[in-house]
Amino acid sequence: EPEVTQTPSHQVTQMGQEVILRCVPISNHLYFYWYRQILGQKVEFLVSFYNNEISEKSEIFDDQFSVERPDGSNFTLKIRSTKLEDSAMYFCASSDLEEGEAFFGQGTRLTVV
Amino acid sequence: AQSVAQPEDQVNVAEGNPLTVKCTYSVSGNPYLFWYVQYPNRGLQFLLKYITGDNLVKGSYGFEAEFNKSQTSFHLKKPSALVSDSALYFCAVIKIGGTGGSYIPTFGRGTSLIVHP
Repeated sequence: EPEVTQTPSHQVTQMGQEVILRCVPISNHLYFYWYRQILGQKVEFLVSFYNNEISEKSEIFDDQFSVERPDGSNFTLKIRSTKLEDSAMYFCASSDLEEGEAFFGQGTRLTVV
Repeated sequence: AQSVAQPEDQVNVAEGNPLTVKCTYSVSGNPYLFWYVQYPNRGLQFLLKYITGDNLVKGSYGFEAEFNKSQTSFHLKKPSALVSDSALYFCAVIKIGGTGGSYIPTFGRGTSLIVHP
């Protein structure tokens, strides 16, 4: 069964450092998302991506964040200068339809120290 | 704007008993509604969805949900709970059509389901 894969599963970084979280969405999907979850609580939307551009973003997704689809398979989230409060579980998701169910990866646990 | 409310942080039920996890939504138009389950240290796993048609939707692992437009609810149910159902459950909504909504899934805060042996 096709699935969304994320790497690494756990990333520890020092405050102020840049991190790149990687995702491989399901191959025939066109809509891509990043969400984050702090301490197993609410799942917060960060950004959506379609047709090689951001289609929507939340207030959380400030200038420190960027997304990229560098090739036909990968979808990355970059945090330029990490802060302690960026520590969270980051989930990538993809969907084949704009209104379809999103399929989630296993997440990357980001710890900023 | 669209939103989802899950009024219970935690639901406790004995194994073999029926379970209900509540969800209410707020959108100005027609909603698409989803339930996801999250096991510890895992991603969200799709359970079921309501788009249109029959108000009772059946999904994975014996779960079902009932769409009630008048009460703007989409409660998750299962006739007989298993200990292995213990997990975090999230309701989500997408607004279809009209203005002021978004195709981006908006999630509730989650409900922890604990099934006791």
